[in-house]
Amino acid sequence: ELKVEQNPLFLSMQEGKNYTIYCNYSTTSDRLYWYRQDPGKSLESLFVLLSNGAVKQEGRLMASLDTKARLSTLHITAAVHDLSATYFCAVDMSGRDDKIIFGKGTRLHILP
Amino acid sequence: DTGVSQNPRHKITKRGQNVTFRCDPISEHNRLYWYRQTLGQGPEFLTYFQNEAQLEKSRLLSDRFSAERPKGSFSTLEIQRTEQGDSAMYLCASSLSSVRVRAFFGQGTRLTVV
Repeated sequence: ELKVEQNPLFLSMQEGKNYTIYCNYSTTSDRLYWYRQDPGKSLESLFVLLSNGAVKQEGRLMASLDTKARLSTLHITAAVHDLSATYFCAVDMSGRDDKIIFGKGTRLHILP
Repeated sequence: DTGVSQNPRHKITKRGQNVTFRCDPISEHNRLYWYRQTLGQGPEFLTYFQNEAQLEKSRLLSDRFSAERPKGSFSTLEIQRTEQGDSAMYLCASSLSSVRVRAFFGQGTRLTVV
């Protein structure tokens, strides 16, 4: 059974600092997603990573995928308060077992 | 609005009652997913459809839960004889069965069983 593990689960950091969230998954996957969720809201799609070595960047967030290591990272550069949210990675085994499995999420709190 | 739409947004029900939620996916999307999310947890997969066919059901989906997508468009999720443990956010998502398309989520239905 596919398992998706994120760490850390909680992260409190100062504005202006850099940090990385890690997402490990247990079996080969075709696609990996990063989502953002604000309290009481639904999930907002951030990135779709489709191949080994894929890197996507938007603003202060950069996501990468290493399919051989079964690892994705979400890097935050010069954090700002508006990035405070919960970030989920999700893995899709489309073509074999099409459900999308989520990690438990990383609750990010950026202190002004 | 061309996004995924869920109704109702909130539902409070007494234990033992039946409830039904509706999801209208993005119109051209052939895949539709249901997830359940409890406070502080990630979304847990319940079931998904490709067109009108229900292709997989999670072990989380007990006999009290049933989902349909009769014409391959909107979907309903029914919970019979609700229990307090059913209280959660129920999320619907849709996508195209294509490598390069992500799943889009609705706003969710928050169920409270009292």
